[in-house]
Amino acid sequence: QQQVKQSPQSLIVQKGGISIINCAYENTAFDYFPWYQQFPGKGPALLIAIRPDVSEKKEGRFTISFNKSAKQFSLHIMDSQPGDSATYFCAARGSDAGGTSYGKLTFGQGTILTVHP
Amino acid sequence: SAVISQKPSRDICQRGTSLTIQCQVDSQVTMMFWYRQQPGQSLTLIATANQGSEATYESGFVIDKFPISRPNLTFSTLTVSNMSPEDSSIYLCSVGQGSTQYFGPGTRLTVL
Repeated sequence: QQQVKQSPQSLIVQKGGISIINCAYENTAFDYFPWYQQFPGKGPALLIAIRPDVSEKKEGRFTISFNKSAKQFSLHIMDSQPGDSATYFCAARGSDAGGTSYGKLTFGQGTILTVHP
Repeated sequence: SAVISQKPSRDICQRGTSLTIQCQVDSQVTMMFWYRQQPGQSLTLIATANQGSEATYESGFVIDKFPISRPNLTFSTLTVSNMSPEDSSIYLCSVGQGSTQYFGPGTRLTVL
């Protein structure tokens, strides 16, 4: 019930194209859904995040779409650039069934994005 | 956002030894976390480092293997004890600020 399932595992996109990464969750206690970008040899960096009372959030070329009823959310990268090539992780934050561990993030499996020039 | 530093950035250690990783934050934070990222894998929470009390460990992680200290609101250490090659991973410190968690650069550990 604590899992976050992410797909695809890897994604290849041409420069200028749209990259789409999907995540699904089961725990309805999750209340915050961030996306992280990680370059090789670096720690994950927060990219964009959304709360479940909002269906969409856009920041520059990055958009999160959130479907609360389906318990799914996705990251869209518009006009993808070679510099966007990285590993992307979705995550979800919330308490467990016992109401503890608040603040803990559960991560998806990650998506390796490659943007060809 | 908080600026997080970790020491060492990388290390190569022998089987059976221990390594202590330091995490320093440039501001006082209530919540600090330690994660493990095995090669090519996602992040797994090891424990929540609580200031002034014992850390809270996730299932599969125990204090004897991963002792954690949190002496104040800007600093924490994670020790990887009695290491084996299976402990080769990136170890990441994270802090919570508001709704967000920020990550340090990580410590890349290789155990021979």
